[in-house]
Amino acid sequence: GEDVEQSLFLSVREGDSSVINCTYTDSSSTYLYWYKQEPGAGLQLLTYIFSNMDMKQDQRLTVLLNKKDKHLSLRIADTQTGDSAIYFCADLSGGYNKLIFGAGTRLAVHP
Amino acid sequence: GAVVSQHPSRVICKSGTSVKIECRSLDFQATTMFWYRQFPKQSLMLMATSNEGSKATYEQGVEKDKFLINHASLTLSTLTVTSAHPEDSSFYICSAKRQPIPQETQYFGPGTRLLVL
Repeated sequence: GEDVEQSLFLSVREGDSSVINCTYTDSSSTYLYWYKQEPGAGLQLLTYIFSNMDMKQDQRLTVLLNKKDKHLSLRIADTQTGDSAIYFCADLSGGYNKLIFGAGTRLAVHP
Repeated sequence: GAVVSQHPSRVICKSGTSVKIECRSLDFQATTMFWYRQFPKQSLMLMATSNEGSKATYEQGVEKDKFLINHASLTLSTLTVTSAHPEDSSFYICSAKRQPIPQETQYFGPGTRLLVL
């Protein structure tokens, strides 16, 4: 089946940029998503990108998609302590019309 | 916005009882809702896809008689954990797919934490 992989942990200093990476295997991917999960809560949709786009920017968030390498990244500018959470990359599998999630990257922001 | 609610947010029950969890899309209609299960420090595992007016589609390994899903209206899906056991303790999250195409985006509820004693 299709697979999505992420690094498990990232630590950054407050004010720096964070870059969370994700790779996927689905050749028929249509949309790719980034979700944020805070402790004990559900998933909050942060942003998404259509598979024919290379980049999408939304305030502090920049998503880069390299479709050739099947690599997706999320950059958070000026990272704040409130950004500490788990970030999930998800692929909308074109063949099955369901979301395939990565394991999540835990972002820790320290002073 | 696209708000999805779940009720209850937390439930503790005795082994052998049944528990119903509700998932509602508050400001949009959702012909399709999804039920996930999340174990501590792990990703989400899709349990089933719930389609309004028809039977749910269960993922491999998920017992349909154990996890009953009903999607009776365009804004409500329910998951009933029947004869719950301690191994059913988990965080259950629903999502609702907001139409129309092409933005097939899932919006998630806040989750329900189930503890079976």
